[in-house]
Amino acid sequence: GESVGLHLPTLSVQEGDNSIINCAYSNSASDYFIWYKQESGKGPQFIIDIRSNMDKRQGQRVTVLLNKTVKHLSLQIAATQPGDSAVYFCAETGMDTGRRALTFGSGTRLQVQP
Amino acid sequence: EPEVTQTPSHQVTQMGQEVILRCVPISNHLYFYWYRQILGQKVEFLVSFYNNEISEKSEIFDDQFSVERPDGSNFTLKIRSTKLEDSAMYFCASSESVDARDEQYFGPGTRLTVT
Repeated sequence: GESVGLHLPTLSVQEGDNSIINCAYSNSASDYFIWYKQESGKGPQFIIDIRSNMDKRQGQRVTVLLNKTVKHLSLQIAATQPGDSAVYFCAETGMDTGRRALTFGSGTRLQVQP
Repeated sequence: EPEVTQTPSHQVTQMGQEVILRCVPISNHLYFYWYRQILGQKVEFLVSFYNNEISEKSEIFDDQFSVERPDGSNFTLKIRSTKLEDSAMYFCASSESVDARDEQYFGPGTRLTVT
């Protein structure tokens, strides 16, 4: 499940700090957004989702913010831990159109320094 | 916890050969998907499958590709005549129902190398 590329943006944070990972999407018709985490050698793992009728959703240590005006999505991870080190992808789909195919963003590598 | 499994983990094949990638979705799931990820690039949707037929497919999923659910547990992706550019990680996913909000659970992937 390696998604590393020389051109993959990297965010490096200290353990215990908060992390913010950003994503821009292009399809105005998308109305359902998901953040996935991909660890080395594994497939994408669901973290949190948000529908377009919301602008914020909180989970355990994670918050997703959606700004439909500028088509921007962010993932905030509180008190980042070494186990959070992975590549993070946003994904979008058009739930109300019945579309289920996910369109993934290009990913951000999060490196947590102990 | 139930999980999607895929075999093999790594497949090496020569250009022009046929390959079949295998997936066992989570047992009570109804919707199945294939995605691929070329090294260093985004995860890309290939095809979704429901009720024994293709539900959606992308432009990547051309006549060289086919999917099948040969029995009650396996879901396969066949590439008829592999090309160098088919080299990628191939991920199978499944979701529980027809609700588009249902989480898609991904398998660990099969790395396909075409030489």
